[in-house]
Amino acid sequence: EVQLVESGGGLVQPGGSLRLSCAASGFSFSSYWMHWVRQAPGKGLMWVSHINSDGSNTNYAGAVKGRFTISRDNVKNTLYLQMSSLGADDTAVYYCSRDLGAIPFDNWGQGTLVTVSS
Amino acid sequence: DIQMTQSPSSLSASVGDRVTITCRTSQSISLYLNWFQQKPGKAPKLLIYAASALRSGVPSRFSGSGSGTDFTLTISSLQPEDFATYYCQQSYGVPRTFGQGTKLDIK
Repeated sequence: EVQLVESGGGLVQPGGSLRLSCAASGFSFSSYWMHWVRQAPGKGLMWVSHINSDGSNTNYAGAVKGRFTISRDNVKNTLYLQMSSLGADDTAVYYCSRDLGAIPFDNWGQGTLVTVSS
Repeated sequence: DIQMTQSPSSLSASVGDRVTITCRTSQSISLYLNWFQQKPGKAPKLLIYAASALRSGVPSRFSGSGSGTDFTLTISSLQPEDFATYYCQQSYGVPRTFGQGTKLDIK
């Protein structure tokens, strides 16, 4: 069974940092591109970042570029999102999702909530 | 960035109704259009990819069509479990933009 389990969310002060993790199991993690998508409370979905299968290519939404870093460990089957200089606008549930290209975003984690507040 | 314009933003319908949601993109994206369903407190679920391909396990009452810049999601006969929010998303360019969502509720 395909499983994606996010962790690392929580309450952080404005200007602070946080690292999210997404543990993958039940599929060949190293074969998939991976994405982070977020959803602010009561709002729609916003794509945040993606990384290719070997970690050599990454892209970011303009709102997070320069502050967030996506990475992966294909030995540990884990995706990461390092977030810094966090602001209130970054408060959201963060989801990870996998992408084989032909069928993108076919599985999602349950999400982890990040709250930026003093 | 590719802009996504999804309409309507909300829709009231009854069980058994046929419903259509549209998504327009600011530039041609060929067939690189996906549709998702999201229920409150849950992660999104992929329904349709590549504009018209039904994801395995998704009921056949869901269908997608379109190409280029204009796309539609149709639910042929609404079931109680279909009341949710629906999002389109393009996977042609970066960033992978989403539509603003269509909230489908019971009339």
